[in-house]
Amino acid sequence: SQQGEEDPQALSIQEGENATMNCSYKTSINNLQWYRQNSGRGLVHLILIRSNEREKHSGRLRVTLDTSKKSSSLLITASRAADTASYFCATDLGTSGSRLTFGEGTQLTVNP
Amino acid sequence: SAVISQKPSRDICQRGTSLTIQCQVDSQVTMMFWYRQQPGQSLTLIATANQGSEATYESGFVIDKFPISRPNLTFSTLTVSNMSPEDSSIYLCSVGGGTRSSYEQYFGPGTRLTVT
Repeated sequence: SQQGEEDPQALSIQEGENATMNCSYKTSINNLQWYRQNSGRGLVHLILIRSNEREKHSGRLRVTLDTSKKSSSLLITASRAADTASYFCATDLGTSGSRLTFGEGTQLTVNP
Repeated sequence: SAVISQKPSRDICQRGTSLTIQCQVDSQVTMMFWYRQQPGQSLTLIATANQGSEATYESGFVIDKFPISRPNLTFSTLTVSNMSPEDSSIYLCSVGGGTRSSYEQYFGPGTRLTVT
């Protein structure tokens, strides 16, 4: 079963607006990661947040992690049409092998 | 980061046949992973392939259906055997971060398989 559930499933915004995607998970984690996938192609790693971190920034990306609620959010500020993609959260339980369990994903459309 | 290539990029196959997908990495890595992404769905881990040992399969995936080879630290293959239309998916390989302080994975571009 999927460790992560994401909402919304789909999000459509205008360029310049902010986009927020949420991820919930079920078990304790070592870290949580966010990936982007453009149109059914390979995934690109965006950001990793460890279980002892609460917030992390990378450029226009801001990720928060609340381990008490077992949830994370990804905020993309000042969105661009090029941000149109599917976004997935993935959890690493910290057990052998860095195995990742992916959430269901959010399809983000940024309209020019 | 690692650069990963996959062959073929896409294929259309007849049911009952098998397809072998290749994954090549530009550096030596210990761990390689194979995922399946069914249409409109998220990624599901099929197996973890370590060089020098048998692949470790996730629940719901078996070696007879998805045999994996890992002959060296830069290459792996996944075979989808006795295919049916339900196997139509994107298959992606990935490699783990190079050190334990770096857990992110790097993905290949995927192989889009259609079974008719």
